[in-house]
Amino acid sequence: DADVTQTPRNRITKTGKRIMLECSQTKGHDRMYWYRQDPGLGLRLIYYSFDVKDINKGEISDGYSVSRQAQAKFSLSLESAIPNQTALYFCATSEEGTGEEETQYFGPGTRLLVL
Amino acid sequence: DQQVKQNSPSLSVQEGRISILNCDYTNSMFDYFLWYKKYPAEGPTFLISISSIKDKNEDGRFTVFLNKSAKHLSLHIVPSQPGDSAVYFCAATFSGGYNKLIFGAGTRLAVHP
Repeated sequence: DADVTQTPRNRITKTGKRIMLECSQTKGHDRMYWYRQDPGLGLRLIYYSFDVKDINKGEISDGYSVSRQAQAKFSLSLESAIPNQTALYFCATSEEGTGEEETQYFGPGTRLLVL
Repeated sequence: DQQVKQNSPSLSVQEGRISILNCDYTNSMFDYFLWYKKYPAEGPTFLISISSIKDKNEDGRFTVFLNKSAKHLSLHIVPSQPGDSAVYFCAATFSGGYNKLIFGAGTRLAVHP
């Protein structure tokens, strides 16, 4: 079974709709992240959480919100989806630490299309 | 302003030959660097990393070289295999309890027979 899972894997929605992307992990890591990938831009950090009570904005948090329901679950919400939020979204986890502990483990991604 | 740059969007290499993927960074505070590999419809997977206290790290067919004075790192794959065909992302981070990774735009490697 995959250590980091994301649901749904694909989603089509309309402008203005609220949508939630979910991430679950069985790695026992405290740290979780949400990224989006756009062609030619690599992965950009949206939000990150170092534990259940610690949530921080990344470089592109506008238009997004998150919820850390438990150590193993981290959800990303688009309150009112817009077409430029069409992208591939990845969840990732890591241990606390430095060096090798900073390696992040990614889920399979959610492909989102906003019409 | 991109702090991590992969200037080659794509690279084509013959099977058995060496693949060299390059990455440049601008922030001298970065002290840990990682390479991730991504296949279509999958998430990125960790490949190899290097700390700034080293200039080389090797893992089987994969070697990463770091030139701190030039703010440049490279990933060498020898010998290249068709299964290595994927998008490779370079990433950098600071130490000190803050795991934020800064990614490059990626290089698509195609290894052909």
